[in-house]
Amino acid sequence: QVQLVQSGAEVKKAGASAKVSCKASGYTFTLYYMHWVRQAPGQGLEWMGIINPSGATTTYAQKFQGRVTMTRDTSTSTVYMELTSLTSEDTAVYYCARAQGSTLEGFFDNWGQGTLVTVSS
Amino acid sequence: QSVLTQPPSVSGAPGQRVTISCTGSSSNIGAGHDVHWYKQLPGANPKLLIYDNSKRPSGVPDRFSGSKSGASASLAITGLQAEDEADYYCQSSDSSLTASRGFVFGTGTRVTVL
Repeated sequence: QVQLVQSGAEVKKAGASAKVSCKASGYTFTLYYMHWVRQAPGQGLEWMGIINPSGATTTYAQKFQGRVTMTRDTSTSTVYMELTSLTSEDTAVYYCARAQGSTLEGFFDNWGQGTLVTVSS
Repeated sequence: QSVLTQPPSVSGAPGQRVTISCTGSSSNIGAGHDVHWYKQLPGANPKLLIYDNSKRPSGVPDRFSGSKSGASASLAITGLQAEDEADYYCQSSDSSLTASRGFVFGTGTRVTVL
């Protein structure tokens, strides 16, 4: 069965960076795009961007461009999301989500368990 | 900053039918992009409920149904049960040239079973 297992919670100082990992199993890693979605406490879901695990191409939401980097390691079937210049507004649960569909069309059929990133001043 | 608008909350008694609307615009739902729905229990990750406007993944009860018309979509839950109490989100794609371009989510709706 498909599993997406994310790294553990992090506490960061304002201005620092956070890097979250998502290890995939149960399917061919390079055949499905992977997205990152975040959810601030008590708030809704916010799309951050997408990575193609096959060619490592990425597309980021305009809001995060310049601050987010998504990478992958095909040898371990793991995708990473690094967010820099953190502020308190980046405190959120970060999810990886496997997509069915194309680069900018589709839906998320499997989600990671989420990683809480807390930014303190 | 969500570009898809949902009612903040809906409620119903057990066994009743409730509907959740998802209103978009000409750059997302109205442009023909499909709508998908997710259910999120407190403290849990979202789970796919409806995809491609009206299709149910394996394991989702047929009490859940989706539809789309113009720039809006709806999720209906019939025979409301206690385990349906959760947050529900719609999702689509946006092909505008603004900051909204990409995947977009609804504002979310809390369903309460009275």
